[in-house]
Amino acid sequence: DIVMTQSPLSLPVTPGEPASISCRSSQSLLYSNGYNYLDWYVQKPGKSPQLLIYLGSNRASGVPDRFSGSGSGTDFTLKISRVEAEDVGVYYCMQTLQIPLTFGGGTKVQIK
Amino acid sequence: QVQLVESGGGLVKPGGSLRLSCAASGFTFRDYYMYWIRQAPGKGLEWVSFISNSNIYTNFADSVKGRFTISRDNAKNSLYLQMDSLRAEDTAVYYCARPRTAGGYSSGVDVWGKGTTVTVSS
Repeated sequence: DIVMTQSPLSLPVTPGEPASISCRSSQSLLYSNGYNYLDWYVQKPGKSPQLLIYLGSNRASGVPDRFSGSGSGTDFTLKISRVEAEDVGVYYCMQTLQIPLTFGGGTKVQIK
Repeated sequence: QVQLVESGGGLVKPGGSLRLSCAASGFTFRDYYMYWIRQAPGKGLEWVSFISNSNIYTNFADSVKGRFTISRDNAKNSLYLQMDSLRAEDTAVYYCARPRTAGGYSSGVDVWGKGTTVTVSS
């Protein structure tokens, strides 16, 4: 199984400041078609998860452009250019290259 | 609008059974693979199972293999999860979810239900 490791576990942020979350996979998520099979999700308090980024760097529909995904192979980063209060929640990465689909352990983003 | 609504959760004793349902609307259900994903209290997300759009292919996490069965009824736009031999560690919110694109387990799960809670306890 592909193991997904996120850091940090907790991320206190100041509104208006940037934030960054790292995700590493135990195997490369780069497929022969050139795409990285890595998604990012946020789960806001009391809500279902929602898709932010798919295929490593593509913003999902309706996701603000302050969110960006980057990386390739085994190392990926989710960046928030300017954190807003509504961004609090737990952020997860997930690989969809192979079954079983696996998630990172989550990064809790909270306002300082 | 595109919607998934789970039902069937509840309290069950260890060793018992439960059947979860998920009603889909707002999209062509028969075109999409579908997933069950769960979240234990205070924990992260765990993929449980998928089923192909044609009902031919299924797969399960090792933690539930041999105990859970996934099925769908495309005529009723419904997804099911039959859970047998339940254990305390199966206690979780169970989400029905849809991948972003039709025809496979593509990158991106862009539709999630609100979840249904399963509690396994004596």
